[in-house]
Amino acid sequence: EADIYQTPRYLVIGTGKKITLECSQTMGHDKMYWYQQDPGMELHLIHYSYGVNSTEKGDLSSESTVSRIRTEHFPLTLESARPSHTSQYLCASSEGLAANTGELFFGEGSRLTVL
Amino acid sequence: KNQVEQSPQSLIILEGKNCTLQCNYTVSPFSNLRWYKQDTGRGPVSLTIMTFSENTKSNGRYTATLDADTKQSSLHITASQLSDSASYICVVSDRGSTLGRLYFGRGTQLTVWP
Repeated sequence: EADIYQTPRYLVIGTGKKITLECSQTMGHDKMYWYQQDPGMELHLIHYSYGVNSTEKGDLSSESTVSRIRTEHFPLTLESARPSHTSQYLCASSEGLAANTGELFFGEGSRLTVL
Repeated sequence: KNQVEQSPQSLIILEGKNCTLQCNYTVSPFSNLRWYKQDTGRGPVSLTIMTFSENTKSNGRYTATLDADTKQSSLHITASQLSDSASYICVVSDRGSTLGRLYFGRGTQLTVWP
């Protein structure tokens, strides 16, 4: 059982609202990731971090921002949500590099709906 | 272009039956291939990971095979159970850079009927 937690699990908000999706892990992993997933589609990397004060944009352009002030915490923020942001957001972490043999542990996901 | 293609897109089988899911990839240079199980509304959970030198790996009723020459992998599920109903995702990583990159397939949606 992976020790990585996401809140909220489900969120329905109106256009223009600011939202923060929380992600925490208790495994002491340096590497953390945010993926976006739409129904029937592949996961797309939108942000990653290789340690405290380190954040990078992923392959898919996203209007969201992230921060990594503490090892265990990697929140994602949308300053002004739009309907196009409606999606499932998955947080993950790994001890080694995920693209090597580092095991990738996922949270349960946050399902965001913007009306 | 590095890609991961999975087939079939969806599959329905009866409880107790076996099934095989396919994954073809064009990712190069190859580092490793993983299979994940994703229940509806949940995060993916790792089933197996195989490097270039491995051609088969089992995890309970799940057996993954890898043919690095033809760039194909399969996931075989034996004696299926209702709890096997999920999306199965193939993920391939490259070693083309220091950090590497993960390429995700769209998944095969498996439904097991009683």
